[in-house]
Amino acid sequence: GAGVSQSPRYKVAKRGQDVALRCDPISGHVSLFWYQQALGQGPEFLTYFQNEAQLDKSGLPSDRFFAERPEGSVSTLKIQRTQQEDSAVYLCASSLESMAQGTMNTEAFFGQGTRLTVV
Amino acid sequence: AQKITQTQPGMFVQEKEAVTLDCTYDTSDQSYGLFWYKQPSSGEMIFLIYQGSYDEQNATEGRYSLNFQKARKSANLVISASQLGDSAMYFCAMREGQGGGSYIPTFGRGTSLIVHP
Repeated sequence: GAGVSQSPRYKVAKRGQDVALRCDPISGHVSLFWYQQALGQGPEFLTYFQNEAQLDKSGLPSDRFFAERPEGSVSTLKIQRTQQEDSAVYLCASSLESMAQGTMNTEAFFGQGTRLTVV
Repeated sequence: AQKITQTQPGMFVQEKEAVTLDCTYDTSDQSYGLFWYKQPSSGEMIFLIYQGSYDEQNATEGRYSLNFQKARKSANLVISASQLGDSAMYFCAMREGQGGGSYIPTFGRGTSLIVHP
């Protein structure tokens, strides 16, 4: 497809269960971001990839959160032993250029997100 | 400290009227970019408009314009001739340059806009 694709769109997990959220960025996009958006809030940064390299993971809230992008395209965000406070929409975005070296007006294209509910 | 502040949790506007959504930002970088995104109920963030810190003119994109006041560190979004389909959450975001700031886009908390017929 032409846009950023995320799957699943909705996920209900029992507390303590592991989940994996998938992001298919726009083909050829160098940068990939994960954001967490709690209800009624703005997106909060989780982690950033430049191709396959995870350059910034400062936003990951705990060591239960892990992200990878092994071949520089598809990315997976994994949350282990989910807790109720992990309930949120997880947004993935991609951008053509590197954030570190690209032009300032490099636009990020977002997917529709995965709504995770932990019960 | 919040890098992006959106002080209006909710705004209401009559169809065909103009509306201004406020955004102030905090940075010590000279080079930065400001973005506005729209998020309808479907959840996808849709890019609307961009303003660079060195741009001398206010950005415009169709019915969207950005009222950029650098000295006041504000970047308000103006939507002219509001339409029912403009009802959504609106987020202001900033990306800083390499002068010690974060090049990762940072978002505000958003403003919910409701357009009345």
